[in-house]
Amino acid sequence: AQSVTQLGSHVSVSEGALVLLRCNYSSSVPPYLFWYVQYPNQGLQLLLKYTSAATLVKGINGFEAEFKKSETSFHLTKPSAHMSDAAEYFCAVIPSAGGSYIPTFGRGTSLIVHP
Amino acid sequence: GAGVSQSPRYKVAKRGQDVALRCDPISGHVSLFWYQQALGQGPEFLTYFQNEAQLDKSGLPSDRFFAERPEGSVSTLKIQRTQQEDSAVYLCASSLVGIQGPETQYFGPGTRLLVL
Repeated sequence: AQSVTQLGSHVSVSEGALVLLRCNYSSSVPPYLFWYVQYPNQGLQLLLKYTSAATLVKGINGFEAEFKKSETSFHLTKPSAHMSDAAEYFCAVIPSAGGSYIPTFGRGTSLIVHP
Repeated sequence: GAGVSQSPRYKVAKRGQDVALRCDPISGHVSLFWYQQALGQGPEFLTYFQNEAQLDKSGLPSDRFFAERPEGSVSTLKIQRTQQEDSAVYLCASSLVGIQGPETQYFGPGTRLLVL
């Protein structure tokens, strides 16, 4: 079964600092991978997705993620944090084989941005 | 255009009551998903519709949970005889049907259910 692990339930950075949110997946075949952001009292919004094309994926709001098969990772980065980036971030995985497009989500990482 | 809407946004129920949660997907979206998000957790899949057909209900936690989408548009998630462990945010998402890979899911704001 597919699973996804987000290391660190909370990440704290200063405004302007690098953001790094970690996501590792377990799968024998590279899956589809997603990062979502959730602001308080709102639903999830897609930041970016990997669907077996380019390994470096650029998303909205200056975020990007790199698929590394050898490390089974899909970490999310942003060069310079902004106060508005404070939110909950979820990594999700969908198996690339089997035809089912049901995602499995990680437990989430809360990003805290200090002025 | 309008996004996915859900109602009510908040629901307080006494243990044992039945509740009905509504989801209005984006017009034209064939696929509709329901998720349960417990406090401090990621969303967990409950059930999936393609048009009016419920193709996967493997995530429904018990037979107290029932979902329908009779005309292939609006969907209702019903929980009978609510229990305290049902307290969570219930998220609905819709998408176009994925042919050569998953399509982007668009999420509603969720219904926060509190069972007392």
